[in-house]
Amino acid sequence: QQQVKQSPQSLIVQKGGISIINCAYENTAFDYFPWYQQFPGKGPALLIAIRPDVSEKKEGRFTISFNKSAKQFSLHIMDSQPGDSATYFCAASPYSGGYQKVTFGTGTKLQVIP
Amino acid sequence: DSGVTQTPKHLITATGQRVTLRCSPRSGDLSVYWYQQSLDQGLQFLIQYYNGEERAKGNILERFSAQQFPDLHSELNLSSLELGDSALYFCASSVAPAGGLETQYFGPGTRLLVL
Repeated sequence: QQQVKQSPQSLIVQKGGISIINCAYENTAFDYFPWYQQFPGKGPALLIAIRPDVSEKKEGRFTISFNKSAKQFSLHIMDSQPGDSATYFCAASPYSGGYQKVTFGTGTKLQVIP
Repeated sequence: DSGVTQTPKHLITATGQRVTLRCSPRSGDLSVYWYQQSLDQGLQFLIQYYNGEERAKGNILERFSAQQFPDLHSELNLSSLELGDSALYFCASSVAPAGGLETQYFGPGTRLLVL
C-alpha cells in the first residue's frame, strides 16, 4: 500500500515533443506529490509538487496533472529539450503526521534527442 | 549546489567491513534524511532525524544505523557489508519535519562499492 508505481521506465522523445510520465498510488493517506529531477552524478532535486486540492499545476514547461479518484498523477514536459534529459522520480507522502516519509517511484530515464 | 554536503564521494570496501558516511545539512535545516539508491530498487527511504532525534524509519536494515549530532551533521553507519549493499547513498535535509510542503534538498551522494 506504500508503493508508488511509475511508468515508463525509460522514454525517448524528440526535441520539441511532449514527454509524459505516469504514476499511480494506493495509499489514500498520501496527499503531497512532488516530482524530482536527477541528472547523472547528482542528487535528486525538487522540480514541481502538487496537492490533491487542485487537478493541475503548471510551472513553465512542466505540468502535473492529478486525478484523485483514479489515484494517478502525471508529469508533462512540453517542448522537451536535450537539457531535460535526466531521470525523473515521482513521489508521495502524507501531508501531516509530524514527520515526512516520502515514497518514491522507481524513476523514468528521459532522453531527449535533437 | 543544494548546500548539502556528503563525504566521501566514493568508497570501495570489502564484504564484512564497516563504513561511515557523513552528511552536513544545509545551514538552518534541522531535519536529515538518508536514502539508498540502487539500480533495481530505485530510491529507498532509510531513516530520518530531526534535531538529533530519530523521527521516521523506512527500509533500513538492522546492520545499518544512523545518528544526528548536536551540530546537526549526521552519520550513516553500515556494518557487516554485503555485495548487495553497493549503491548510492543520499542524504537530504529540510527545515523541519512537520507535514507540509517541505522541500528536501539532496546532497551529491556517496557511491559505495562492496567487493
